[in-house]
Amino acid sequence: RKEVEQDPGPFNVPEGATVAFNCTYSNSASQSFFWYRQDCRKEPKLLMSVYSSGNEDGRFTAQLNRASQYISLLIRDSKLSDSATYLCVAFSSNTGKLIFGQGTTLQVKP
Amino acid sequence: EPEVTQTPSHQVTQMGQEVILRCVPISNHLYFYWYRQILGQKVEFLVSFYNNEISEKSEIFDDQFSVERPDGSNFTLKIRSTKLEDSAMYFCASSELRAGSQPQHFGDGTRLSIL
Repeated sequence: RKEVEQDPGPFNVPEGATVAFNCTYSNSASQSFFWYRQDCRKEPKLLMSVYSSGNEDGRFTAQLNRASQYISLLIRDSKLSDSATYLCVAFSSNTGKLIFGQGTTLQVKP
Repeated sequence: EPEVTQTPSHQVTQMGQEVILRCVPISNHLYFYWYRQILGQKVEFLVSFYNNEISEKSEIFDDQFSVERPDGSNFTLKIRSTKLEDSAMYFCASSELRAGSQPQHFGDGTRLSIL
């Protein structure tokens, strides 16, 4: 089983749509979680950290369910500029490593 | 906003040659990392470095790889004898605190092409 698993997509949505991405992790010792965004052939850029209580940053909402080992990202009112690959990332102190999912590709169409 | 910078942006090397990839982390950061991403695949952790020594490394980071902080600003990744399968994007990252305590900031990468 992959350590961090994401549906690769692509998700094709019209502008203004709401879209949700899911991610599961296998290491129950994982402590911290992040969503990064990666544009084609560019570096990963931090989108947001994910907290147990859930957190929101503008149009973006992240949720963590430790019991189900599941993380989500919700994007409301999608913009063309949201088109990118969204990387789910987990950290566990017993390995000391960030583990990346393969990413979910989003294409927002006019 | 402070940035992690990497040079060169693209490196083309013959198989068997040594390459050195360079990174300048954000100045007040204490933890440094190298990752690689083979085209079409996920980002993979290679190594983390703190207090002038390796703190974690992955199975990928074998004896052909080494890291160094030769001065107060640079952080380098050396691949001693390159193979075709070393072709990838190599990303340097840094964080003020240990990974997980705080997010890592990535440089824009070096594309390594092995011929």
